[in-house]
Amino acid sequence: DGGITQSPKYLFRKEGQNVTLSCEQNLNHDAMYWYRQDPGQGLRLIYYSQIVNDFQKGDIAEGYSVSREKKESFPLTVTSAQKNPTAFYLCASSDFHRYTFGSGTRLTVV
Amino acid sequence: AQKVTQAQTEISVVEKEDVTLDCVYETRDTTYYLFWYKQPPSGELVFLIRRNSFDEQNEISGRYSWNFQKSTSSFNFTITASQVVDSAVYFCALRAQEYGNKLVFGAGTILRVKS
Repeated sequence: DGGITQSPKYLFRKEGQNVTLSCEQNLNHDAMYWYRQDPGQGLRLIYYSQIVNDFQKGDIAEGYSVSREKKESFPLTVTSAQKNPTAFYLCASSDFHRYTFGSGTRLTVV
Repeated sequence: AQKVTQAQTEISVVEKEDVTLDCVYETRDTTYYLFWYKQPPSGELVFLIRRNSFDEQNEISGRYSWNFQKSTSSFNFTITASQVVDSAVYFCALRAQEYGNKLVFGAGTILRVKS
């Protein structure tokens, strides 16, 4: 079955550490996205990529970085510059109209 | 200004009640797409419906129905005879060229259905 796999499901980060969230899809979708979800604020776009080796900043890219070296993979790194990283992170892919979402990674700063 | 507004932060109903979730959107495009997603406690987003701006027909799927009115820029979602399993966060989303053809989400409505 095709889908999106996000790992890990739960992640704990110490102050000052960088952490990387994994997102892999086998849907052959060109576009991939990272969203951040905070209570009461819906989903906000962090980064997106429409083709391999190309990506663009979304609405809240500061403190995050991404890469798109393979069509299937779009990892998100939460850097120490992100001052409030505790949130739920969702990855998605699309073929224009059809969006598929992963099951999310809950990141907590300890 | 909010591109997608879901004014109801949280709704609580008793099982078997009907409930309507409101969604108001804003775009200058004439061609755009509207979506509803359900997010159960497990976290993943489940696709419910996509509607393009040229199709104003209301849609019914089982206990779910959607009312799309371009005149009021609204795309409301009604659950008939709600069930406990309907408890989730529901998101309305918009895709328009004006916003870079990316999904723009509302803040979500938490629906709690009590038995």
